[in-house]
Formats: sequence, C-alpha cells, structure tokens
Amino acid sequence: DAGITQSPRHKVTETGTPVTLRCHQTENHRYMYWYRQDPGHGLRLIHYSYGVKDTDKGEVSDGYSVSRSKTEDFLLTLESATSSQTSVYFCAISAGQGITEAFFGQGTRLTVV
Amino acid sequence: SQQGEEDPQALSIQEGENATMNCSYKTSINNLQWYRQNSGRGLVHLILIRSNEREKHSGRLRVTLDTSKKSSSLLITASRAADTASYFCATDEGQNFVFGPGTRLSVLP
Repeated sequence: DAGITQSPRHKVTETGTPVTLRCHQTENHRYMYWYRQDPGHGLRLIHYSYGVKDTDKGEVSDGYSVSRSKTEDFLLTLESATSSQTSVYFCAISAGQGITEAFFGQGTRLTVV
Repeated sequence: SQQGEEDPQALSIQEGENATMNCSYKTSINNLQWYRQNSGRGLVHLILIRSNEREKHSGRLRVTLDTSKKSSSLLITASRAADTASYFCATDEGQNFVFGPGTRLSVLP
C-alpha cells in the first residue's frame, strides 16, 4: 500500500464546531486531493494541492479550507461543521497531474450531529 | 462536474461469470482509469488506458476505450466472490481526477 494515512478514521462532532482532518504521505508525491463520498454522488473533489502552499478549489469547496505547509501533510478544515458535511472523506495523492494513478487513504467517516 | 458515468449502477452475477461495466464521459481526455473500492475502504487503482490506446489487459481485467463514442468498458473475466466491490471510472480534467458514481458489483458464490 502507498504510504498515505488519514486521521482520525472516525469522528463525531457537533454542528458549528471546527474540525480538521489530516492526510499524511510518505511518497513525496506533488499532488494531494481531498474528496468526499456520498451515496449517489460518487467522489467529489473538495480541494487539491499541487505543491507546498499551492492549493485550489474543487467542485464542492464551500465550507471547507485546506492548508499544505509541508509536502507530506494536507489538512482539511471544516470551519463550522454542518449536518450536510456528514460524509466519508478521502485523501488521495498522485505524482502527476491526472496522468498517473492516484493512491487513496482509508477514509475518515465524519458525522456531524 | 461529473465527467464519468458508469453503467449499470448495480450488477449481480454468479461466480465464474464475466462482468462488464461501462463508463461514458463528456469531454476529451488524455487518459481514463478504473478503480475498485471494497466496502469501507479507499479506492484502489486497477488500470489506466491512454487516449491513443484502444484496449488494455491486466490479469483478468480487460479495458477498452472508444474516444469517438466517449466510452470505456471494464470486463472482469471468470469473476470471484472477492471481486465484489464498487468500480469507478475516472477521467483526467486538468490536474484532477473526476470520478463517476460507480457500479456496485456483487459476485455470488
């Protein structure tokens, strides 16, 4: 398995609280991605990073922010969690920009109550 | 934006049978990839086919790509119970991978 670790794996939080999910890689890949997976929607891109301090929005970025201060870490923050953000979140990494395979973490199941 | 759309949404077959899943997409691509997701796990890359390729094999997997029809198919031959999973196609869109909603395959023993 590629060296990619998500933490925490499960989290329950209350509406209105900030939440940070962490993705850590040991592959030194340039590109990192955060997706959310919901029934009927497949995987939707939240934010991605193409280098340290270089990030951009994806399809469903509202209510989320990201930071990448080191190559190996990509943080996803829910600024004020809402019930609509209850989902499974996946981090992915890739060496190339869509031309190579992506490696996925095991996912974080987030429940906002 | 949802680039790829898998068809069917769900498929049940008997062990030993072949399974075929299709993917259609909307814009031009450089490559198309297929991934597998077992329940409760992350996605695992299966195969990548480039836009100038028409067919590719990997073990029991065969992928075809028809860029004129903007479609791809994934064939799993001699299926096993362990092939039970969701299968996703992904296309490249700029720097990103854009996934379809997936096909849920159940292989019955």
